[in-house]
Amino acid sequence: EVQLVESGGGLVQPGESLRLSCAASGFTFSSYEMNWVRQAPGKGLEWVSYIGSSVNTIYYADSVKGRFTISRDNTKNSLSLQMNSLRVEDTAIYYCARVLRVGASLGFDYWGQGTLVTVSA
Amino acid sequence: SYELTQPPSVSVSPGQTASITCSGDKLGDKYASWYQQKPGQSPVLVIYQDNKRPSGIPERFSGSNSGNTATLTISGTQAMDEADYYCQAWDSNTAVFGGGTKLTVL
Repeated sequence: EVQLVESGGGLVQPGESLRLSCAASGFTFSSYEMNWVRQAPGKGLEWVSYIGSSVNTIYYADSVKGRFTISRDNTKNSLSLQMNSLRVEDTAIYYCARVLRVGASLGFDYWGQGTLVTVSA
Repeated sequence: SYELTQPPSVSVSPGQTASITCSGDKLGDKYASWYQQKPGQSPVLVIYQDNKRPSGIPERFSGSNSGNTATLTISGTQAMDEADYYCQAWDSNTAVFGGGTKLTVL
């Protein structure tokens, strides 16, 4: 059974840092592209970042570029998101999501339960 | 930046057909995916590659994508289908989500 379990969320003040982790199991983690997607309270889904299966390709949303860093450890089946210079508007549930790739089509076929990040003074 | 536009809400009677649209510039040239999210739960992929259903998704869910509009169709809508639905596509190495549509079954 595919499982994605996020951790590391919490309450921080503006300008502080936080590191999120996503533990993957039930599939060959090193073969899959991964993403972080967030959802502010009561709002819609917002894509945050993408990482290729072998760390060769990384993309970020403009809203987090230069502040967030995505990484993965295929030996530990783990995905991470280092978040620096956090802002109030970064408050959201953060989900890790696996990519289902069919040719040029990429969807997110498995999602974790999410971890809540709250940025408030 | 690329944008996808969905109606905020759609209502349907049980057993009827619900259609949720997603509009974007030349969206038909891209692949669209659709996600269902119920309150307090994580999103679930219901359609990928415009019209493919993942394993376990009922046949009443179908999708199409042409021109500037992708459409999620739910035939024989059931009460359990009441949820928020999001379309999604990729543009210039960025994943873009629509604003979401709240489907009410009444």
